[in-house]
Amino acid sequence: EPEVTQTPSHQVTQMGQEVILRCVPISNHLYFYWYRQILGQKVEFLVSFYNNEISEKSEIFDDQFSVERPDGSNFTLKIRSTKLEDSAMYFCASSPEGNQPQHFGDGTRLSIL
Amino acid sequence: QKEVEQDPGPLSVPEGAIVSLNCTYSNSAFQYFMWYRQYSRKGPELLMYTYSSGNKEDGRFTAQVDKSSKYISLFIRDSQPSDSATYLCAMSGGSSYKLIFGSGTRLLVRP
Repeated sequence: EPEVTQTPSHQVTQMGQEVILRCVPISNHLYFYWYRQILGQKVEFLVSFYNNEISEKSEIFDDQFSVERPDGSNFTLKIRSTKLEDSAMYFCASSPEGNQPQHFGDGTRLSIL
Repeated sequence: QKEVEQDPGPLSVPEGAIVSLNCTYSNSAFQYFMWYRQYSRKGPELLMYTYSSGNKEDGRFTAQVDKSSKYISLFIRDSQPSDSATYLCAMSGGSSYKLIFGSGTRLLVRP
């Protein structure tokens, strides 16, 4: 069964450094998403992406965050200057269309020191 | 009032029991309702997806949506130890495709 894959599984970065989280969505899906889950808290929406542009973003997704689909298969989340509070699990998801079920990867655990 | 509320549990049941998991919500625009299962150190795995009110059954799982009460449920029949996980409800609707999640209910099925 096709699945969303995310790399790396764990990323440790010094505060202030840039980090790029990578995702390969399911191949025939058109909508892509990033969510995050701080330890002990709810899964929170960050951003959705369709047709090579951001379609929706949350208040969390400020100027320090950006997303890109650099080629036909990868979808990336960049955090420009990481803060301690960016430590969380980051999940990528994709769906065939906007209102169809979203399928999630296993996440990248981001630890900011 | 929180947008989606879910009892965090933990809920401990013996093997073979019927499990009932629930969420309430406040936003009447929600039309799409999902249940995800999350094992430790894994991503959310889609279990059930329903649109608007009604019931949907898939094997041992039944999802119910009551939009008039803003209440959704997931029933697990003949629960197994392998069902032990955190169960997340999620919903979306209106002009937005973003999912709003509950806090998750931890379920433990004892052999």
